[in-house]
Amino acid sequence: QKEVEQDPGPLSVPEGAIVSLNCTYSNSAFQYFMWYRQYSRKGPELLMYTYSSGNKEDGRFTAQVDKSSKYISLFIRDSQPSDSATYLCAMTENSGGYQKVTFGIGTKLQVIP
Amino acid sequence: DGGITQSPKYLFRKEGQNVTLSCEQNLNHDAMYWYRQDPGQGLRLIYYSQIVNDFQKGDIAEGYSVSREKKESFPLTVTSAQKNPTAFYLCALGTGRNTIYFGEGSWLTVV
Repeated sequence: QKEVEQDPGPLSVPEGAIVSLNCTYSNSAFQYFMWYRQYSRKGPELLMYTYSSGNKEDGRFTAQVDKSSKYISLFIRDSQPSDSATYLCAMTENSGGYQKVTFGIGTKLQVIP
Repeated sequence: DGGITQSPKYLFRKEGQNVTLSCEQNLNHDAMYWYRQDPGQGLRLIYYSQIVNDFQKGDIAEGYSVSREKKESFPLTVTSAQKNPTAFYLCALGTGRNTIYFGEGSWLTVV
C-alpha cells in the first residue's frame, strides 16, 4: 500500500462547478499538508499549505485536513477552464532531521467551458 | 519558482553519454532536492542536500550523481548507468517552513 493514495482521474467538470480533489494517507507521522497545481510540461506550483486539521481558504480554493481519518481535500469553487491541470497532494514528515516530502500521483482535472 | 532556475529546458542524449542538468537558486535556502517525474508514477526523490558539501541518496539514486559545492547550485548528472533516463527532472528548494518550491523542470530524452 502506498503511503499516499490519490485518484489519478481524469476528472472532467463543467465550468462553474465545485471540484473536490482528495487524498488519503497511512503514515501518522505526516505533519504538514500541501496541494500543488501542475500545468502540462511545467513544474508544480504550490497552491495551499496547512498544518492542522480543519479548513483553510484562499480565494476560490479551500484545503481541508482531517487527521483522525487521514484524509485531505482541496475544493475549487466556480471552476474555470484555466484550472485545468494536474493537482498533486503532498505531505511532510520529519525524517532524520530533514523534511521528507511524499507526493500523491496527481489528479488530472479538466474544466470544460 | 522565480528564484529557482533549471537548465536546459529540453535535452537530448545519446545512449551511453552522461548529461548534467543545472539547478541554480538565489533565495539563500539550504535544502535542495532533485525529483524525477514519470507518467503514472508521480514524483520520486533522486537526491537531496541540506547543506553545502553534503548530500544524501533518495529513493532512486542509482545511475545519478550530484554535487553541492556552492549553496546556490545543485547540479544533477544522469550517467550512462541509468537504464531508463528519459523523464522530466525537477529541482526543488526547501523553505525551512515545511514546504518546497519547484523549478520549471528539464525534459531529458534519450535518442
